[in-house]
Amino acid sequence: AQTVTQSQPEMSVQEAETVTLSCTYDTSESDYYLFWYKQPPSRQMILVIRQEAYKQQNATENRFSVNFQKAAKSFSLKISDSQLGDAAMYFCAYRKVVNAGNNRKLIWGLGTSLAVNP
Amino acid sequence: NAGVTQTPKFQVLKTGQSMTLQCAQDMNHNSMYWYRQDPGMGLRLIYYSASEGTTDKGEVPNGYNVSRLNKREFSLRLESAAPSQTSVYFCASMGGRDYGYTFGSGTRLTVV
Repeated sequence: AQTVTQSQPEMSVQEAETVTLSCTYDTSESDYYLFWYKQPPSRQMILVIRQEAYKQQNATENRFSVNFQKAAKSFSLKISDSQLGDAAMYFCAYRKVVNAGNNRKLIWGLGTSLAVNP
Repeated sequence: NAGVTQTPKFQVLKTGQSMTLQCAQDMNHNSMYWYRQDPGMGLRLIYYSASEGTTDKGEVPNGYNVSRLNKREFSLRLESAAPSQTSVYFCASMGGRDYGYTFGSGTRLTVV
């Protein structure tokens, strides 16, 4: 069964600095998707960035970028120029391209709580 | 704005009471999901519906039932609430094969 591991329950970063959140996953599939979601104190779950496994190029979204290492099954999130509004819980998630029965469930890590210090 | 609408946002129940959490999406998504979120346990799937007319159990279905009323709506029912069901509940939907979930804003449920 697929699993997603986030080894850092808590992280902190100084405002304007860069921080990297780690995520590893276990799968025997060759084609899949990976996601980072952000959950601020408002509780809303927000998609930050996604990566298709067949693409070698790392995804970027403004200050957010990933380091996708397929062979190592690693998918880390880098936040550059950290802002106070980046303080949140960050979840890594994995999905097969298509599951049996056409369901597309995400497999979730337990999250990393990021604090941003002024 | 298009998205997933989840109601109510907060609810307090007494043990043994029943209630239904409502979820509707206007993005024409096929798949819909119900999760619960508890501290230190991440997101756990309760039930999901891969398409209109189908529902399946997730990791923690005991004590819950669901109805996929139509393509837009997917409700979660607690028939006899228990304190162990105190949690934050999220509804989500998924569209095309390339996408992740779009989430509702969550329901904080307390069972006393």
